[in-house]
Amino acid sequence: DTAVSQTPKYLVTQMGNDKSIKCEQNLGHDTMYWYKQDSKKFLKIMFSYNNKELIINETVPNRFSPKSPDKAHLNLHINSLELGDSAVYFCASSRSSGGRYNEQFFGPGTRLTVL
Amino acid sequence: GNSVTQMEGPVTLSEEAFLTINCTYTATGYPSLFWYVQYPGEGLQLLLKATKADDKGSNKGFEATYRKETTSFHLEKGSVQVSDSAVYFCALSFGTGNQFYFGTGTSLTVIP
Repeated sequence: DTAVSQTPKYLVTQMGNDKSIKCEQNLGHDTMYWYKQDSKKFLKIMFSYNNKELIINETVPNRFSPKSPDKAHLNLHINSLELGDSAVYFCASSRSSGGRYNEQFFGPGTRLTVL
Repeated sequence: GNSVTQMEGPVTLSEEAFLTINCTYTATGYPSLFWYVQYPGEGLQLLLKATKADDKGSNKGFEATYRKETTSFHLEKGSVQVSDSAVYFCALSFGTGNQFYFGTGTSLTVIP
């Protein structure tokens, strides 16, 4: 069973389009994240949701809008795509119990290419 | 603030060589520390972790010790293999809120 899954794995689109990336976790975790990884492998947190509520919202253009319909899903919608949005986007999840073992589990990534 | 600093890559080693990837951190409290590994074309996987000072995390021949006095968590392996070629990320986290702070990643290539 896949713990954290993302669809699609690859996404190629034109500038100006709107696209969505879906993420699902079957680990029973209550916190989910979106990260952006650039071509130099630098990993930047974008958003974090805990029990469907936004708890981290880093400096990200408002063209990016996360949606969490339930604790197992966190989707990322991107409006008016730009060339600079090309990157690999990772979804992750974790338990937020306040214990010290709260490792994050990552999905396989979605490679977005904007032409 | 909280941050993680890793040694610059890329690192290229011959098979069976000794590996050290340096990681130091700045934190406002007492975080848990992690090493993640990213194989080509894949997501990040947890490699090892340590949750308090002097703890040693280990997995697949890799080790790292949580050193509070030097605020470090260096990754070591005694004899690397070609299959260890990947990008390695050091990270810290606090339980509350569970935000992770990742280093910039260190690319390792092991040649036969």
